[in-house]
Amino acid sequence: NAGVMQNPRHLVRRRGQEARLRCSPMKGHSHVYWYRQLPEEGLKFMVYLQKENIIDESGMPKERFSAEFPKEGPSILRIQQVVRGDSAAYFCASSHGTGQKETQYFGPGTRLLVL
Amino acid sequence: QQQVKQSPQSLIVQKGGISIINCAYENTAFDYFPWYQQFPGKGPALLIAIRPDVSEKKEGRFTISFNKSAKQFSLHIMDSQPGDSATYFCAATRSGGSNYKLTFGKGTLLTVNP
Repeated sequence: NAGVMQNPRHLVRRRGQEARLRCSPMKGHSHVYWYRQLPEEGLKFMVYLQKENIIDESGMPKERFSAEFPKEGPSILRIQQVVRGDSAAYFCASSHGTGQKETQYFGPGTRLLVL
Repeated sequence: QQQVKQSPQSLIVQKGGISIINCAYENTAFDYFPWYQQFPGKGPALLIAIRPDVSEKKEGRFTISFNKSAKQFSLHIMDSQPGDSATYFCAATRSGGSNYKLTFGKGTLLTVNP
């Protein structure tokens, strides 16, 4: 049973370009979460999605960031017009259900570097 | 505002020693406290978790101690091994509508020397 998969593992973009980060949840999981880890910081919640629905995007920057989890295919975190401050590790997690007792399983992350 | 404060930032321990990592939280609504272990190039993995109705939870060499009145909790790794070398994150969540939202500490880089 494959774990949470993320690709690419490393992504380099120049300022102003778009970054697309993909996350395939564990088999049987329909809940997806995105977290961002800035250098020297802990992970910070960005968004929680279920299939075709954004449940909570309270941690997403208001501009340039968007997320989706379509009926078919992986969840996508999109960052438009990237800036150097977007450089970070982006982690996706998935769970079978929701709530405190539902373990969130994390992927290996995508390291984004903006030049 | 940092809701979960973790210390130390880094820790070096000799093989066989005890590693202790401390966390303090501010939000009294938090009532579930997991610890995550992260190896280089990997995502965080749940290690052990505790609820505030108990003061201690032990799983193998890993123990969480919880002090509700002080709003502090700590991870103890007994008989530390080089394979325990990793970054450890404490986290917290609250019951209710957003109980999926993990609030993390900044992490502790643990190095266990052979």
